[in-house]
Amino acid sequence: GDSVTQMEGPVTLSEEAFLTINCTYTATGYPSLFWYVQYPGEGLQLLLKATKADDKGSNKGFEATYRKETTSFHLEKGSVQVSDSAVYFCALMAPRGSARQLTFGSGTQLTVLP
Amino acid sequence: DGGITQSPKYLFRKEGQNVTLSCEQNLNHDAMYWYRQDPGQGLRLIYYSQIVNDFQKGDIAEGYSVSREKKESFPLTVTSAQKNPTAFYLCASSATGTGANVLTFGAGSRLTVL
Repeated sequence: GDSVTQMEGPVTLSEEAFLTINCTYTATGYPSLFWYVQYPGEGLQLLLKATKADDKGSNKGFEATYRKETTSFHLEKGSVQVSDSAVYFCALMAPRGSARQLTFGSGTQLTVLP
Repeated sequence: DGGITQSPKYLFRKEGQNVTLSCEQNLNHDAMYWYRQDPGQGLRLIYYSQIVNDFQKGDIAEGYSVSREKKESFPLTVTSAQKNPTAFYLCASSATGTGANVLTFGAGSRLTVL
């Protein structure tokens, strides 16, 4: 079945450091890929998405590129801020799937220190 | 503003008691979902509903029940049959149809069994 593997956390960075959170997936065909973010005590929010190979999703300075050849969707940000401290979830949806078929990774806790 | 409202935010239950978590949305979304989140784990789907008066079990439905009498509302009951109910519960909704693959989440309800 479909699965998502995220780099284990927690990740602790200093403000203005470069961020990479690795995400790889297993799925048949061309799934849609997502990054969701969960701030402390809150629900998840969509951060960015990509629906086909080589697409780059971007939002709030975060970027991720859909790499079919490496089945990856790594999240990057050039300069993190304290306000980026949150849990980040990678997720995939099967081709032609409904939101019911979202598969989430286990989440990566990011803490940014001033 | 449109969104999803979950209540209560925190709930304590004694063993053997049923509790009901409320989820209301004003996004006019057809589909609604309940997820369970445990520390260090991804989200696991409990139940979902794509239309009023219809719902399906997700991956971990045992010990839970739902109803969908109105489009806006999708309450979750955690029954005494749920062996380990302490967790963070997230309600979500989405549109349905082609390309409708983004979930909007509520802020969550944290249930603790004493």
